[in-house]
Amino acid sequence: KQEVTQIPAALSVPEGENLVLNCSFTDSAIYNLQWFRQDPGKGLTSLLLIQSSQREQTSGRLNASLDKSSGRSTLYIAASQPGDSATYLCAGNTGGFKTIFGAGTRLFVKA
Amino acid sequence: NAGVTQTPKFQVLKTGQSMTLQCAQDMNHEYMSWYRQDPGMGLRLIHYSVGAGITDQGEVPNGYNVSRSTTEDFPLRLLSAAPSQTSVYFCASLDRSRSGANVLTFGAGSRLTVL
Repeated sequence: KQEVTQIPAALSVPEGENLVLNCSFTDSAIYNLQWFRQDPGKGLTSLLLIQSSQREQTSGRLNASLDKSSGRSTLYIAASQPGDSATYLCAGNTGGFKTIFGAGTRLFVKA
Repeated sequence: NAGVTQTPKFQVLKTGQSMTLQCAQDMNHEYMSWYRQDPGMGLRLIHYSVGAGITDQGEVPNGYNVSRSTTEDFPLRLLSAAPSQTSVYFCASLDRSRSGANVLTFGAGSRLTVL
């Protein structure tokens, strides 16, 4: 059974800092891994998706990597801004129609 | 293109009442699912459907009922609401694009309180 864990649960950083959010999964037969952003009281917005054949994906200041052998994915945020404050969730899909979510990392970027 | 639309956004029920959360998508996605989100627990899969007429249980199906009569709609029914069902509910559809990636798209959520 796929389990997804995110560390840390919460993170507070000063504006401008580069930061890394971690996601680990137990089933290395992962089909893809998706990173989402959730603002308070809102739905989930997809940020990046990495397929199993890829090692990383980039979008603007965001870079996500996937290492299937170690069961880990990281989301790198460069030059953080107060507008980046949100909860970030990772989710693993094992090829079927089920996607398993981590509990999320709550990020606060101080101005 | 509306994407995934959920109604209502907010609902308050008394214990034992029934209600239906509506979900509709206009992207012709075969797969639709319902999740609940509780503090500190992430999103947990309730039920999912891989096409019209086909539904299956997820991690936490007890107390919920679903049906899929059309590709577009996937309602979630609470037959007898309990306080433990107080949560935020999200509907999602999955796009198996030509590239083979399974990309989830979410609705805005429905916040349910059971008193």
